[in-house]
Amino acid sequence: GQQLNQSPQSMFIQEGEDVSMNCTSSSIFNTWLWYKQDPGEGPVLLIALYKAGELTSNGRLTAQFGITRKDSFLNISASIPSDVGIYFCAATNYGGSQGNLIFGKGTKLSVKP
Amino acid sequence: NAGVTQTPKFRILKIGQSMTLQCTQDMNHNYMYWYRQDPGMGLKLIYYSVGAGITDKGEVPNGYNVSRSTTEDFPLRLELAAPSQTSVYFCASSYSRGPLDGYTFGSGTRLTVV
Repeated sequence: GQQLNQSPQSMFIQEGEDVSMNCTSSSIFNTWLWYKQDPGEGPVLLIALYKAGELTSNGRLTAQFGITRKDSFLNISASIPSDVGIYFCAATNYGGSQGNLIFGKGTKLSVKP
Repeated sequence: NAGVTQTPKFRILKIGQSMTLQCTQDMNHNYMYWYRQDPGMGLKLIYYSVGAGITDKGEVPNGYNVSRSTTEDFPLRLELAAPSQTSVYFCASSYSRGPLDGYTFGSGTRLTVV
């Protein structure tokens, strides 16, 4: 079945550093999303991307929908302690017969204060 | 606005016992979903529903059952609990089939089967 390959699995960074993570697939999708999960909570939507090549920002977060429609990238600038959590990419073909979201395995972010 | 509410938050079951994980949403969303999350494995779709009275299997439905008698509620039933069902379960809902606003998730039920 379809799957998303998310990397890195985990990362430790110094406060103030920029962070990059990505998600790739062998399948084409028309929608990519990025979620963050805090400990003990459900995932919360950060950014949604609907068009190939689209670059969208949400505060210090910037995400891009790859031109090939098979990948997406998330960047966090000037990381702070509250950025700690697990970041998931998700993708779907909105409007298709199989429109449910599929998720990557997550990138666990830890920040050294 | 409560959003998506899941109960209980934690539960320990013995092998072979049954239980129902409750999920309710107050956003009048048509679509509801059940996911399980295992460490390092992301979220796997168990069942989903596109409206009251309509349910369908996701990627990992074996050992589970669902029902959707109302728009608000989407309970997940485990009939014969097995250790492989130890996981964190998340319920989610969305207004449409496509994630125009993303799915809204509950805060999860952590289930341990011993």
